[in-house]
Amino acid sequence: GQQVMQIPQYQHVQEGEDFTTYCNSSTTLSNIQWYKQRPGGHPVFLIQLVKSGEVKKQKRLTFQFGEAKKNSSLHITATQTTDVGTYFCADDRGSTLGRLYFGRGTQLTVWP
Amino acid sequence: NAGVTQTPKFQVLKTGQSMTLQCAQDMNHNSMYWYRQDPGMGLRLIYYSASEGTTDKGEVPNGYNVSRLNKREFSLRLESAAPSQTSVYFCASRRDRGGYEQYFGPGTRLTVT
Repeated sequence: GQQVMQIPQYQHVQEGEDFTTYCNSSTTLSNIQWYKQRPGGHPVFLIQLVKSGEVKKQKRLTFQFGEAKKNSSLHITATQTTDVGTYFCADDRGSTLGRLYFGRGTQLTVWP
Repeated sequence: NAGVTQTPKFQVLKTGQSMTLQCAQDMNHNSMYWYRQDPGMGLRLIYYSASEGTTDKGEVPNGYNVSRLNKREFSLRLESAAPSQTSVYFCASRRDRGGYEQYFGPGTRLTVT
């Protein structure tokens, strides 16, 4: 079964509001990747987090890796309609072959 | 570069029929992957190939076979389709040295009736 729990499953926000999705695990995560999938599209890589406590920013997106490496989050400031889609986290469990174990995703809807 | 391409885009099968989903990448990547995506389930790995000539099972391999025909192509075969295999199938590839992100194809939407 999937060990990477992602919450919430759905999030509806008004344009301009902030949004956060969380990726949690009962065991230590190895390297976390985040992907975005637009409706009807395919997953697109956003970022990878490797180090405990790591914080990375991409414009309005902020990615964090917990100090204990048991959780990660993606925060979007002042959402826009272009942010609509499903956001997935994935753990590679230290695989050198690129195997990824995906969370179930958070589907974001942004109302104009 | 086209990136990762998949054919067909859509397919409807009857229970028991067979078919092969095709995937090709033009990025000279060593690793390739097949996933299935079901509503609310995220992406689950079916099979993967770390290099030409090698394949390994992922989380949900039952009912599927794969062939890594050459470095560019990685196909997924359903020998006897079942309604439970109704899903969206994504192929992905990864550059091994200095890269970790996976590049996904546009997907194949398969319905088994």
